[in-house]
Amino acid sequence: GQNIDQPTEMTATEGAIVQINCTYQTSGFNGLFWYQQHAGEAPTFLSYNVLDGLEEKGRFSSFLSRSKGYSYLLLKELQMKDSASYLCASEQAGTALIFGKGTTLSVSS
Amino acid sequence: KAGVTQTPRYLIKTRGQQVTLSCSPISGHRSVSWYQQTPGQGLQFLFEYFSETQRNKGNFPGRFSGRQFSNSRSEMNVSTLELGDSALYLCASSLGDHGYTFGSGTRLTVV
Repeated sequence: GQNIDQPTEMTATEGAIVQINCTYQTSGFNGLFWYQQHAGEAPTFLSYNVLDGLEEKGRFSSFLSRSKGYSYLLLKELQMKDSASYLCASEQAGTALIFGKGTTLSVSS
Repeated sequence: KAGVTQTPRYLIKTRGQQVTLSCSPISGHRSVSWYQQTPGQGLQFLFEYFSETQRNKGNFPGRFSGRQFSNSRSEMNVSTLELGDSALYLCASSLGDHGYTFGSGTRLTVV
């Protein structure tokens, strides 16, 4: 079964900031990925964290705490096109990627 | 460079039949992993192949199998299809450096 937890749905308005949290099991953990998936499309890579701390990439940032089994994805200056599903995935020993069920983000004007 | 190519894009099969899906990775990528995506369960790991060897396997029944060829192309097979096998099947290729690139998937409908 899934050992990654993230909220099912979130809503926000254009220009706002939203934080999507993710918790995972720490045993055998190698690294943490965030992917964006628009309906009917392939997941696209957003970020990869292996060390503790914040990684910033334009409007998107991702944070990792290995000791707490916790990550978040921060989206700034939200745009309508950011409406999508955001997938948290851990790379663990013995598997390729273990995904959460995804957070559906709806951005309104 | 070309991305990950999955064929076919859409497939309709009848219960009890078997199906084979194909994935061509990015040139030079030797790792291919397969995932099943359903609305209820999200993306679930099926198996991973590296240099023609199955390296890891998820918790799916033996009806789900796969293989990888010497050119790194991979196929997955599902035998004795059930209604619950209806899903989007995604493959991802990687150099083995944590960079997983996904294909657009094959949407399988079992009727």
